[in-house]
Amino acid sequence: DAGVTQSPTHLIKTRGQQVTLRCSPKSGHDTVSWYQQALGQGPQFIFQYYEEEERQRGNFPDRFSGHQFPNYSSELNVNALLLGDSALYLCASSLGGGQFFGPGTRLTVL
Amino acid sequence: KQEVTQIPAALSVPEGENLVLNCSFTDSAIYNLQWFRQDPGKGLTSLLLIQSSQREQTSGRLNASLDKSSGRSTLYIAASQPGDSATYLCAVKSNQAGTALIFGKGTTLSVSS
Repeated sequence: DAGVTQSPTHLIKTRGQQVTLRCSPKSGHDTVSWYQQALGQGPQFIFQYYEEEERQRGNFPDRFSGHQFPNYSSELNVNALLLGDSALYLCASSLGGGQFFGPGTRLTVL
Repeated sequence: KQEVTQIPAALSVPEGENLVLNCSFTDSAIYNLQWFRQDPGKGLTSLLLIQSSQREQTSGRLNASLDKSSGRSTLYIAASQPGDSATYLCAVKSNQAGTALIFGKGTTLSVSS
Protein backbone atom coordinates (compact mmCIF):
# COMPACT_ATOMS: atom_id res chain seq x y z
CA ASP A 1 0.00 0.00 0.00
CA ALA A 2 1.61 3.24 -1.19
CA GLY A 3 -0.24 5.41 1.30
CA VAL A 4 -1.11 9.01 0.43
CA THR A 5 1.11 10.48 -2.27
CA GLN A 6 1.52 14.12 -3.31
CA SER A 7 3.24 15.86 -6.18
CA PRO A 8 5.33 17.83 -6.66
CA THR A 9 7.52 17.72 -3.56
CA HIS A 10 8.70 21.31 -3.89
CA LEU A 11 7.54 24.22 -5.99
CA ILE A 12 8.74 27.78 -6.45
CA LYS A 13 6.42 30.39 -7.97
CA THR A 14 6.27 34.17 -8.21
CA ARG A 15 3.51 36.43 -6.99
CA GLY A 16 0.44 36.50 -9.21
CA GLN A 17 1.06 33.07 -10.74
CA GLN A 18 -1.20 30.06 -10.45
CA VAL A 19 -0.30 26.63 -9.06
CA THR A 20 -1.81 23.13 -9.08
CA LEU A 21 -0.96 20.53 -6.46
CA ARG A 22 -1.92 16.88 -6.75
CA CYS A 23 -2.86 14.14 -4.29
CA SER A 24 -3.56 10.42 -4.57
CA PRO A 25 -5.36 8.97 -1.55
CA LYS A 26 -4.58 5.80 0.32
CA SER A 27 -6.05 2.76 -1.40
CA GLY A 28 -9.74 2.39 -0.63
CA HIS A 29 -10.14 5.91 0.79
CA ASP A 30 -12.87 8.02 -0.80
CA THR A 31 -12.45 11.33 1.03
CA VAL A 32 -9.65 13.84 0.51
CA SER A 33 -8.91 16.89 2.66
CA TRP A 34 -6.39 19.67 2.07
CA TYR A 35 -4.54 21.61 4.75
CA GLN A 36 -2.12 24.54 4.74
CA GLN A 37 0.70 24.57 7.29
CA ALA A 38 2.68 27.77 7.75
CA LEU A 39 6.07 27.58 9.43
CA GLY A 40 5.75 26.96 13.17
CA GLN A 41 1.96 26.54 13.03
CA GLY A 42 -0.44 23.65 13.06
CA PRO A 43 -2.16 22.71 9.78
CA GLN A 44 -5.23 24.78 8.82
CA PHE A 45 -8.16 23.12 7.03
CA ILE A 46 -8.75 24.37 3.47
CA PHE A 47 -11.50 22.05 2.18
CA GLN A 48 -12.64 18.46 1.86
CA TYR A 49 -13.87 16.51 -1.17
CA TYR A 50 -16.16 13.51 -1.20
CA GLU A 51 -17.87 11.96 -4.22
CA GLU A 52 -16.31 14.64 -6.43
CA GLU A 53 -18.04 17.43 -4.49
CA GLU A 54 -16.63 19.98 -2.05
CA ARG A 55 -18.22 18.83 1.20
CA GLN A 56 -16.81 21.41 3.58
CA ARG A 57 -14.63 24.50 3.31
CA GLY A 58 -12.45 26.28 5.82
CA ASN A 59 -11.76 30.00 6.08
CA PHE A 60 -9.82 30.40 2.83
CA PRO A 61 -10.53 32.81 -0.06
CA ASP A 62 -11.97 31.77 -3.42
CA ARG A 63 -8.45 31.86 -4.88
CA PHE A 64 -8.19 28.37 -3.40
CA SER A 65 -10.18 25.82 -5.38
CA GLY A 66 -10.11 22.10 -5.82
CA HIS A 67 -11.32 19.11 -7.68
CA GLN A 68 -11.79 15.40 -7.04
CA PHE A 69 -11.68 12.85 -9.83
CA PRO A 70 -13.67 9.59 -10.15
CA ASN A 71 -10.63 7.62 -8.93
CA TYR A 72 -10.72 9.78 -5.73
CA SER A 73 -7.48 11.62 -6.51
CA SER A 74 -7.62 15.36 -6.00
CA GLU A 75 -6.10 18.65 -7.08
CA LEU A 76 -5.67 21.91 -5.19
CA ASN A 77 -5.46 25.07 -7.31
CA VAL A 78 -4.34 28.44 -6.02
CA ASN A 79 -4.71 31.53 -8.23
CA ALA A 80 -3.08 34.96 -7.95
CA LEU A 81 -0.42 33.72 -5.55
CA LEU A 82 0.58 35.93 -2.63
CA LEU A 83 3.76 35.81 -0.57
CA GLY A 84 1.62 34.62 2.35
CA ASP A 85 0.65 31.49 0.43
CA SER A 86 4.14 30.10 1.04
CA ALA A 87 3.58 27.02 3.17
CA LEU A 88 3.55 23.24 3.32
CA TYR A 89 0.37 21.94 1.70
CA LEU A 90 -0.82 18.65 3.12
CA CYS A 91 -3.33 16.22 1.68
CA ALA A 92 -5.13 13.73 3.90
CA SER A 93 -7.37 10.82 2.97
CA SER A 94 -9.92 8.95 5.03
CA LEU A 95 -12.71 6.39 4.92
CA GLY A 96 -14.93 7.46 7.76
CA GLY A 97 -12.25 7.14 10.42
CA GLY A 98 -8.94 8.80 11.16
CA GLN A 99 -7.17 10.86 8.53
CA PHE A 100 -3.90 9.74 6.93
CA PHE A 101 -1.56 12.40 5.62
CA GLY A 102 0.79 12.56 2.67
CA PRO A 103 4.34 13.99 2.72
CA GLY A 104 3.19 17.43 1.61
CA THR A 105 4.16 19.90 -1.11
CA ARG A 106 6.41 22.78 -0.06
CA LEU A 107 5.29 25.91 -1.97
CA THR A 108 7.52 28.97 -1.98
CA VAL A 109 6.17 32.21 -3.44
CA LEU A 110 8.78 34.84 -4.35
CA LYS B 1 -15.18 28.05 17.95
CA GLN B 2 -13.07 25.00 18.75
CA GLU B 3 -9.52 25.87 19.81
CA VAL B 4 -6.71 23.43 20.56
CA THR B 5 -3.74 24.31 22.77
CA GLN B 6 -0.60 22.28 23.33
CA ILE B 7 1.74 22.73 26.27
CA PRO B 8 4.70 22.93 26.40
CA ALA B 9 5.68 24.38 23.02
CA ALA B 10 9.11 22.75 23.31
CA LEU B 11 10.65 20.10 25.52
CA SER B 12 14.19 18.76 25.91
CA VAL B 13 14.88 15.57 27.83
CA PRO B 14 17.73 13.07 28.18
CA GLU B 15 17.35 9.63 26.68
CA GLY B 16 15.44 7.17 28.81
CA GLU B 17 13.10 9.63 30.48
CA ASN B 18 9.35 9.14 30.55
CA LEU B 19 7.47 12.25 29.44
CA VAL B 20 3.98 13.68 29.02
CA LEU B 21 2.72 16.02 26.33
CA ASN B 22 -0.49 17.93 26.95
CA CYS B 23 -3.36 18.93 24.68
CA SER B 24 -6.47 20.90 25.63
CA PHE B 25 -9.55 21.80 23.61
CA THR B 26 -12.32 24.29 24.31
CA ASP B 27 -15.41 22.41 23.04
CA SER B 28 -15.94 18.97 24.56
CA ALA B 29 -18.37 17.88 21.80
CA ILE B 30 -15.80 15.95 19.78
CA TYR B 31 -15.97 12.84 17.57
CA ASN B 32 -12.36 11.86 18.10
CA LEU B 33 -8.86 13.07 18.88
CA GLN B 34 -5.70 12.16 16.98
CA TRP B 35 -2.03 12.48 17.89
CA PHE B 36 0.44 12.94 15.04
CA ARG B 37 4.19 13.07 14.70
CA GLN B 38 5.88 15.41 12.24
CA ASP B 39 9.57 15.34 11.35
CA PRO B 40 11.08 18.64 10.09
CA GLY B 41 9.66 19.59 6.69
CA LYS B 42 7.76 16.33 6.38
CA GLY B 43 4.15 15.18 6.45
CA LEU B 44 2.19 13.93 9.45
CA THR B 45 2.33 10.37 10.76
CA SER B 46 -0.72 9.26 12.72
CA LEU B 47 0.27 7.82 16.10
CA LEU B 48 -2.97 7.22 17.95
CA LEU B 49 -6.68 7.83 17.36
CA ILE B 50 -9.05 7.99 20.33
CA GLN B 51 -12.79 7.90 19.70
CA SER B 52 -14.97 10.10 21.92
CA SER B 53 -16.29 7.02 23.75
CA GLN B 54 -12.79 5.80 24.63
CA ARG B 55 -10.56 6.82 27.53
CA GLU B 56 -7.18 5.75 26.18
CA GLN B 57 -5.24 4.08 23.41
CA THR B 58 -1.83 2.42 23.48
CA SER B 59 0.74 1.64 20.83
CA GLY B 60 4.12 0.35 21.92
CA ARG B 61 5.78 2.96 24.14
CA LEU B 62 2.99 5.48 23.50
CA ASN B 63 -0.17 5.90 25.52
CA ALA B 64 -2.78 8.57 24.87
CA SER B 65 -5.60 9.39 27.25
CA LEU B 66 -8.75 11.42 26.71
CA ASP B 67 -10.85 13.26 29.28
CA LYS B 68 -13.61 14.74 27.17
CA SER B 69 -15.46 16.44 30.01
CA SER B 70 -12.41 18.48 31.01
CA GLY B 71 -11.27 19.00 27.40
CA ARG B 72 -7.88 17.37 27.85
CA SER B 73 -5.69 14.69 26.34
CA THR B 74 -2.19 13.57 27.23
CA LEU B 75 0.39 11.66 25.24
CA TYR B 76 2.71 9.61 27.43
CA ILE B 77 6.01 8.47 25.93
CA ALA B 78 7.89 5.83 27.91
CA ALA B 79 11.66 5.40 27.87
CA SER B 80 12.28 8.16 25.34
CA GLN B 81 14.87 7.67 22.57
CA PRO B 82 16.70 10.14 20.29
CA GLY B 83 14.58 8.83 17.42
CA ASP B 84 11.51 10.23 19.20
CA SER B 85 12.75 13.76 18.48
CA ALA B 86 10.05 15.43 16.37
CA THR B 87 7.05 17.74 16.64
CA TYR B 88 3.94 16.14 18.12
CA LEU B 89 0.58 17.52 17.03
CA CYS B 90 -2.82 17.00 18.58
CA ALA B 91 -5.98 17.36 16.47
CA VAL B 92 -9.68 17.08 17.24
CA LYS B 93 -12.63 16.33 15.01
CA SER B 94 -15.54 18.14 16.62
CA ASN B 95 -19.27 18.42 16.00
CA GLN B 96 -18.87 22.17 15.58
CA ALA B 97 -16.20 21.93 12.87
CA GLY B 98 -17.80 19.10 10.91
CA THR B 99 -15.28 16.97 9.06
CA ALA B 100 -12.28 19.27 9.56
CA LEU B 101 -9.47 18.45 11.95
CA ILE B 102 -8.58 21.33 14.27
CA PHE B 103 -4.90 21.26 15.20
CA GLY B 104 -2.80 22.66 17.99
CA LYS B 105 0.54 24.26 17.20
CA GLY B 106 2.44 21.24 18.44
CA THR B 107 5.12 20.37 20.97
CA THR B 108 8.67 20.08 19.64
CA LEU B 109 10.49 17.30 21.48
CA SER B 110 14.25 16.89 21.57
CA VAL B 111 15.72 13.74 23.16
CA SER B 112 19.47 13.82 23.73
CA SER B 113 21.69 10.74 23.97
